[in-house]
Amino acid sequence: DAGVIQSPRHEVTEMGQEVTLRCKPISGHNSLFWYRQTMMRGLELLIYFNNNVPIDDSGMPEDRFSAKMPNASFSTLKIQPSEPRDSAVYFCASSRGGGTVTDTQYFGPGTRLTVL
Amino acid sequence: AQSVTQLDSQVPVFEEAPVELRCNYSSSVSVYLFWYVQYPNQGLQLLLKYLSGSTLVKGINGFEAEFNKSQTSFHLRKPSVHISDTAEYFCAVILVQGAQKLVFGQGTRLTINP
Repeated sequence: DAGVIQSPRHEVTEMGQEVTLRCKPISGHNSLFWYRQTMMRGLELLIYFNNNVPIDDSGMPEDRFSAKMPNASFSTLKIQPSEPRDSAVYFCASSRGGGTVTDTQYFGPGTRLTVL
Repeated sequence: AQSVTQLDSQVPVFEEAPVELRCNYSSSVSVYLFWYVQYPNQGLQLLLKYLSGSTLVKGINGFEAEFNKSQTSFHLRKPSVHISDTAEYFCAVILVQGAQKLVFGQGTRLTINP
């Protein structure tokens, strides 16, 4: 089992540029989550999908952020335009259940984003 | 809304000493409780979870946690730590009758000194 795969692992960009983060969940998992980790705010859930459908995006900070899940094996988180305050580690996680709160969420290694 | 408070941001201990990492939560409804560990430059890994039943939960790597409903606590313990336990530990809750939204504490950095 390859685990949750995220790319890139590190991204450095300039303010105003578009950034796309990618995630491949564990095969067979039906739920996918995007989290952001910062020193100031800790770990926050941005959005999650069940069976490729966005369920709750209330954690998305603003319209500059968007997420898609075109199929069961791929998701993207896009920031356009990026700002220095978006600098953080972004984690993707997946779980088996497709709606079951007790299922374990398996985290990817994260993408460290730096916006200059 | 629910919240999680990890009372210690950093805990230094000597190798082979016992350790307790404290976690308190606040919620008006029932929650499930989790502890995750994050090793340097890695994602989070589940240590253990409390869903129901016995209030003492055993997890991986020799860790255990005890759910105390009256004190709304879920403290993590290990009787003897190793250098390899150096990591950041996160307590989290999720509503029993809610969405799949884990709410995390701020984390506790455990440092093991030889």
